[in-house]
Amino acid sequence: DTAVSQTPKYLVTQMGNDKSIKCEQNLGHDTMYWYKQDSKKFLKIMFSYNNKELIINETVPNRFSPKSPDKAHLNLHINSLELGDSAVYFCASSQGQGATQPQHFGDGTRLSIL
Amino acid sequence: LAKTTQPISMDSYEGQEVNITCSHNNIATNDYITWYQQFPSQGPRFIIQGYKTKVTNEVASLFIPADRKSSTLSLPRVSLSDTAVYYCLVASWNTNAGKSTFGDGTTLTVKP
Repeated sequence: DTAVSQTPKYLVTQMGNDKSIKCEQNLGHDTMYWYKQDSKKFLKIMFSYNNKELIINETVPNRFSPKSPDKAHLNLHINSLELGDSAVYFCASSQGQGATQPQHFGDGTRLSIL
Repeated sequence: LAKTTQPISMDSYEGQEVNITCSHNNIATNDYITWYQQFPSQGPRFIIQGYKTKVTNEVASLFIPADRKSSTLSLPRVSLSDTAVYYCLVASWNTNAGKSTFGDGTTLTVKP
């Protein structure tokens, strides 16, 4: 059973389009995250949710809107896609918000903007 | 938050022991040291965590000297499949996980 699953795995789309990435975790964790990893492999936190509530929003453009319908799901919707949005987006979860709690990551969604 | 410094890359050969050191000179009393491993086309995976001295699990060992200003991840007898990026994180239990940063990581390449 996959612990943290993201769909789709690959996303190729035109500039200006709107797209969504879905994430589900079956670990029973309280906290979920979205990260962006650019071409230089730097992993940057975007959002953190705890029990469906937004905890962290790290200066991400308003075009990015996370939604957590329940504790097990954290989806990411992106409006008006730009070339600079091309990256790999990772969803993760942990039991609790503390930084010492191990985070469990999905395998990523590779977003390519044409 | 403690800033961490790791080598950008390391090369090794199959069967060798690999030691990756992370410097964290401004580590705080409540901070723990956590290492993640990221294979190509996969998300990072937690491998080990420690506070002081030595921690060992089935994957790796973590050595932390008394002053805790650095830590060393030790991978025994690496194989080609250990080729990955290794990230060192330093943060406290009362810091939100989203505030701890992964840094640049160390790209380990294991050669036959």
